[in-house]
Amino acid sequence: ETGVTQSPTHLIKTRGQQVTLRCSSQSGHNTVSWYQQALGQGPQFIFQYYREEENGRGNFPPRFSGLQFPNYSSELNVNALELDDSALYLCASSQDGQGQQDTQYFGPGTRLTVL
Amino acid sequence: GQNIDQPTEMTATEGAIVQINCTYQTSGFNGLFWYQQHAGEAPTFLSYNVLDGLEEKGRFSSFLSRSKGYSYLLLKELQMKDSASYLCAVRDYGQNFVFGPGTRLSVLP
Repeated sequence: ETGVTQSPTHLIKTRGQQVTLRCSSQSGHNTVSWYQQALGQGPQFIFQYYREEENGRGNFPPRFSGLQFPNYSSELNVNALELDDSALYLCASSQDGQGQQDTQYFGPGTRLTVL
Repeated sequence: GQNIDQPTEMTATEGAIVQINCTYQTSGFNGLFWYQQHAGEAPTFLSYNVLDGLEEKGRFSSFLSRSKGYSYLLLKELQMKDSASYLCAVRDYGQNFVFGPGTRLSVLP
């Protein structure tokens, strides 16, 4: 069974640029959630994708957008980068509707630095 | 609104027992989760509660009281490797998770 993978591991961008982060979900999982985690804080929910449709969104502006593909992998796109976007971006996958015990399994994260 | 509170930092001694508390106020409730996160790493799943009571998994136990909006994570026989942040998260509806700020636990020799 393959776990959740993310790429790239680290990324440095400058203010105003655009970035795409990628996530491959764990085998058998059809739901992917994205989180932003600032240093010393808990993860903040960005959005979730279920079967290629957005299935919930946190308090993030529209310049944060995403996609989910037929194989359930996902992308997070951030436009017009700001300094405050510097954070660890975590992807988590889960299996929907199969009982309440399903949990989210996290990938290793992408560390984004905006200069 | 969504709010989850945890102590920011705790310190305990190797071999001791520590209890990390979590209180929550969310728009819905569909389970409470505890995650462990070592510095620079992704969170890893520790425990899950959806009914009131205690769930035990080896050295770790988690308790839930839904009427009080309260949970705790109990770590026994502390080891140095238990030094990490512990995240309390509530699944408020569907599969949307709300995370607390995390409790940074330092285990001293």
